[in-house]
Amino acid sequence: EAGVAQSPRYKIIEKRQSVAFWCNPISGHATLYWYQQILGQGPKLLIQFQNNGVVDDSQLPKDRFSAERLKGVDSTLKIQPAKLEDSAVYLCASSLLRYVGGTEQFFGPGTRLTVL
Amino acid sequence: AQSVTQLDSQVPVFEEAPVELRCNYSSSVSVYLFWYVQYPNQGLQLLLKYLSGSTLVKGINGFEAEFNKSQTSFHLRKPSVHISDTAEYFCAVSPSIQGAQKLVFGQGTRLTINP
Repeated sequence: EAGVAQSPRYKIIEKRQSVAFWCNPISGHATLYWYQQILGQGPKLLIQFQNNGVVDDSQLPKDRFSAERLKGVDSTLKIQPAKLEDSAVYLCASSLLRYVGGTEQFFGPGTRLTVL
Repeated sequence: AQSVTQLDSQVPVFEEAPVELRCNYSSSVSVYLFWYVQYPNQGLQLLLKYLSGSTLVKGINGFEAEFNKSQTSFHLRKPSVHISDTAEYFCAVSPSIQGAQKLVFGQGTRLTINP
């Protein structure tokens, strides 16, 4: 089966500019996650969707980050305006079910963002 | 809340030698435990997971891990490593509560295999 797709793979912007990342999960996966992975750290969950509804966005900096998952399939994560500390890899993951504990999350290759 | 500590940021080993990557966690509730591997410029891939039952869990690529509840540890082992095992390894936990799938990751251990 096809994996989680993300684009672009790399993006370089200047601070205060806007940027958007796109994710297409594995077909049939109801749950979608966006993670931020800063260099030298483990991934940190930004937001979790169940179908097209938000389940957890407690760690999303809502003053500058936004995300949507229209029609419960693909998703877009936006940063507006970007700051230097937003430089990171943004990972998208999906899983089949939310309510079954231990369900495997499948990760995309990530988008590496550099803010200058 | 949960937290994960990976005790070594880098582990260099020679090819065909055994390796152990250490992971300790903290949680006020029961947890599920995971090890993920990240190859350069790729996303994370699940190596193995502990949900319940036998505390020794076997995963892909010859890796295994042992859950130790009293020591709150979940160390990853491989008896003989290969050059292709060079990657970043992440330990993660999630609460074993219905509906809670939030993964909390450790900071990662970079495994370097030398010929």
